[in-house]
Amino acid sequence: EAQVTQNPRYLITVTGKKLTVTCSQNMNHEYMSWYRQDPGLGLRQIYYSMNVEVTDKGDVPEGYKVSRKEKRNFPLILESPSPNQTSLYFCASSLGGANPYGYTFGSGTRLTVV
Amino acid sequence: AQTVTQSQPEMSVQEAETVTLSCTYDTSENNYYLFWYKQPPSRQMILVIRQEAYKQQNATENRFSVNFQKAAKSFSLKISDSQLGDTAMYFCAFLRGSSYKLIFGSGTRLLVRP
Repeated sequence: EAQVTQNPRYLITVTGKKLTVTCSQNMNHEYMSWYRQDPGLGLRQIYYSMNVEVTDKGDVPEGYKVSRKEKRNFPLILESPSPNQTSLYFCASSLGGANPYGYTFGSGTRLTVV
Repeated sequence: AQTVTQSQPEMSVQEAETVTLSCTYDTSENNYYLFWYKQPPSRQMILVIRQEAYKQQNATENRFSVNFQKAAKSFSLKISDSQLGDTAMYFCAFLRGSSYKLIFGSGTRLLVRP
C-alpha cells in the first residue's frame, strides 16, 4: 500500500530534550515536506526537500532541522524543543513538480512540550 | 506571496442537506492548482477534490463539487446530501504551477447534525 508513515503518533516531552520524528514513504517520491498545524492557522510548511541531500526552509523553520540521506526518509529533528513547538505535525510527499494530485500525507504526530 | 482565506471557522448542516464552504485566494500566477482536503477526527488528511486553474469546468467528485471563479479568485466547496461522516475540518489549499509548496487556509470545521 502506497503510504507515508510517521512515528510516533503521540509524543510528550520536556523542554530542551532532543527528539526526532520519523517519516518514510514507499512511493519513490522526490519531494517531501514537513508541516505543522495550529488552530486558526491551518498548516504551515517547516522544511522541504526536493531530493536526496537537497533541503530548504519553509515558512516556519526556526527550532527545527531536517535531513534527507535517503530518498524514502525525511526525519524532523527538534534539537531543543520549547513549549511553542507544541503542535500537530504532518509529513507529506509528492511525485515532484507541480503535481495536480497534491500530496500524500502521513497520519500526523501530536507533540506536546512541557 | 500567495494567501488562502477561509472566512468560516465553523459551519453546521443538517444531515441530507447541502452546505457550501468558502475559500478565496490571492495570486498573480496564471498556472496553479486548487485543492480541498478533509481532516476527520482521525487527523488523516484526505484529498476531496482538485481543480486545475486552466480548466473552465468545475470539478465534481460524487457529492462534492466546486464553484471555481477564476476572476474572483474564489474556490468554494459544495457538499450535497450531507452525511454524518462528512463531519470534519476542511482545508482549502493552493499550489502554484512552478512550486512544490502547498499553501493552506485556516480551515473550516463542519458539523453534520443528525
